[in-house]
Amino acid sequence: EVQLAESGGGLVQPGGSLRLSCVVSGLTFSRNWMSWVRQAPGKGLEWVANIRPDGSDKYYVDSVKGRFTISRDNAKNSLFLEMSSLRVEDTALYYCARGPPHAYWGQGTLVTVSS
Amino acid sequence: ENVLTQSPGTLSLSPGERVALSCRASQTVSSNYLAWYQQKPGQAPRLLIYAASSRATGIPDRFSGSGSGTDFTLTISRLEPEDSAVYYCQRYGSSPPDTFGQGTRLEI
Repeated sequence: EVQLAESGGGLVQPGGSLRLSCVVSGLTFSRNWMSWVRQAPGKGLEWVANIRPDGSDKYYVDSVKGRFTISRDNAKNSLFLEMSSLRVEDTALYYCARGPPHAYWGQGTLVTVSS
Repeated sequence: ENVLTQSPGTLSLSPGERVALSCRASQTVSSNYLAWYQQKPGQAPRLLIYAASSRATGIPDRFSGSGSGTDFTLTISRLEPEDSAVYYCQRYGSSPPDTFGQGTRLEI
């Protein structure tokens, strides 16, 4: 059974930083593109970033470029999202997902940016 | 950026009916890399269709995808109450961003 488990969310002040993690099991992690997708409360899905299987290429939505960094550790089947200079509008449930296309998703970790 | 526009925004139908949800892209979706997802309240999204018309593992054949270029459709035949959800399309592929549409809310 494929499982993705996110952690690292929480309450942070504007301008602060957080590091999200996602541990993956049940698939060959090192062969898969991985992504972060977020969903603000009551809103739709927004793709945030993705990373090639070997980590050599990374892509970001414009609104997080220069502030967020996606990375992975294939030896530990783990995906990360380093978030800095956080803004109120970054408040969302952050999902890690295999792909695209996203056949497998975690349950999400909530990031709240508020003073 | 390739913007995806879904229509209608919301619709309410009865069990047994058939529905077609539209997803229109502002630019051609290369290689028809277009996916459809279903999301129910409090749950992560579920992949229904990828590459415009390929059904994901375990998805009932009541769900089908079609289209190419800039116009895509998710059709659900014989609606069931558990099909109540928000449906999203997403373009993906070699040229990110992997944009999502704004979603269509379907009430049965």
